[in-house]
Amino acid sequence: KNQVEQSPQSLIILEGKNCTLQCNYTVSPFSNLRWYKQDTGRGPVSLTIMTFSENTKSNGRYTATLDADTKQSSLHITASQLSDSASYICVVSPQDGSYIPTFGRGTSLIVHP
Amino acid sequence: GAGVSQTPSNKVTEKGKYVELRCDPISGHTALYWYRQSLGQGPEFLIYFQGTGAADDSGLPNDRFFAVRPEGSVSTLKIQRTERGDSAVYLCASSFPGQGPFRELFFGEGSRLTVL
Repeated sequence: KNQVEQSPQSLIILEGKNCTLQCNYTVSPFSNLRWYKQDTGRGPVSLTIMTFSENTKSNGRYTATLDADTKQSSLHITASQLSDSASYICVVSPQDGSYIPTFGRGTSLIVHP
Repeated sequence: GAGVSQTPSNKVTEKGKYVELRCDPISGHTALYWYRQSLGQGPEFLIYFQGTGAADDSGLPNDRFFAVRPEGSVSTLKIQRTERGDSAVYLCASSFPGQGPFRELFFGEGSRLTVL
């Protein structure tokens, strides 16, 4: 069964600090992995997409990594801001023609001033 | 509109009642997804439309749930004989045609359903 596990479940940090969120998956065959940001009361919004051949990709203060061999990804947030407070969801899509991605439960990040 | 629009944003109903939730996708997006999200959980897949037909409805929890997309644009999720366990946020997402598994899902803000 395709699964996406995220850790930690929740995280509290001070403004200006860095943090790293983890994602492990068992989706096979693998196509790509996206990180979505979901603000409270809103729908998720895509931050980055990683394919099999990509190891690192940055989007401003967000840097995603992918190790397709160990089936792990991380999302690193640099110099956190209050607006980074949100749920971060790891989503993995299979290369099987189903077009149904598997969502993780998300990591809830709270940034305190 | 510019984004995915979902109505109502909030719906409170009594156990046993019938509910319809509407999704208006981004113009030109042929793929449409319904997800259900409970508090503290990630979105749970319900059904996927490609055009007018349901390409995959394997996520519908039981036969009380049904969704339609008669003209390949607006979709309605229908829940019969609602139960308290149906309380959740129902998210709709759409995506561009093509792109295969690389498609980005564009989500609406969701419809929060509360069954008393």
